[in-house]
Amino acid sequence: GAVVSQHPSRVICKSGTSVKIECRSLDFQATTMFWYRQFPKQSLMLMATSNEGSKATYEQGVEKDKFLINHASLTLSTLTVTSAHPEDSSFYICSARDARSSSYNEQFFGPGTRLTVL
Amino acid sequence: GQQLNQSPQSMFIQEGEDVSMNCTSSSIFNTWLWYKQDPGEGPVLLIALYKAGELTSNGRLTAQFGITRKDSFLNISASIPSDVGIYFCAADNNNDMRFGAGTRLTVKP
Repeated sequence: GAVVSQHPSRVICKSGTSVKIECRSLDFQATTMFWYRQFPKQSLMLMATSNEGSKATYEQGVEKDKFLINHASLTLSTLTVTSAHPEDSSFYICSARDARSSSYNEQFFGPGTRLTVL
Repeated sequence: GQQLNQSPQSMFIQEGEDVSMNCTSSSIFNTWLWYKQDPGEGPVLLIALYKAGELTSNGRLTAQFGITRKDSFLNISASIPSDVGIYFCAADNNNDMRFGAGTRLTVKP
């Protein structure tokens, strides 16, 4: 149980294009989803928190117009990196939790998406 | 946001040895969790702790929620090559989860 998938696992794009990353909870309903960014040999940095049906809450320093988050259903959240530039190249990881579960503080992570912007 | 202080940063051990790593914070947390991340993959939850003083095992892994609620440790007994990876501690307060910088574990056969 508690499986989270991400798609695509790897994407290479040209500078200036937009990239959409999907995060799905496969066997539970994710009332809250999180998006993280991870640079090589570093820890996870939280970008934003999204609750189903409401606007995402972004961490300080994260541009909401550049990183568009949509959490339209209890099993799907998307992150769109708009007008991507080489400095946006990173490993993006989503996680999900079910606030109605007795273990609601546990976050379950997706396998990550490696974004490379040329 | 405030990060957790995780140590050691890296460990090089011989197969069969025991491993210990810990995380501390200046703030109190309600939940402590330990994750393992393999290269190019997302973190996988190993152990979750919900009560101060709680000691929980998962196979060869044992973790404890510090009595002050400001720290936690993870022990791995009789390490094997597949234990290689990065171990992250995480602590949560009502939807605000913070991560340690990670402990990179290398196990020599």
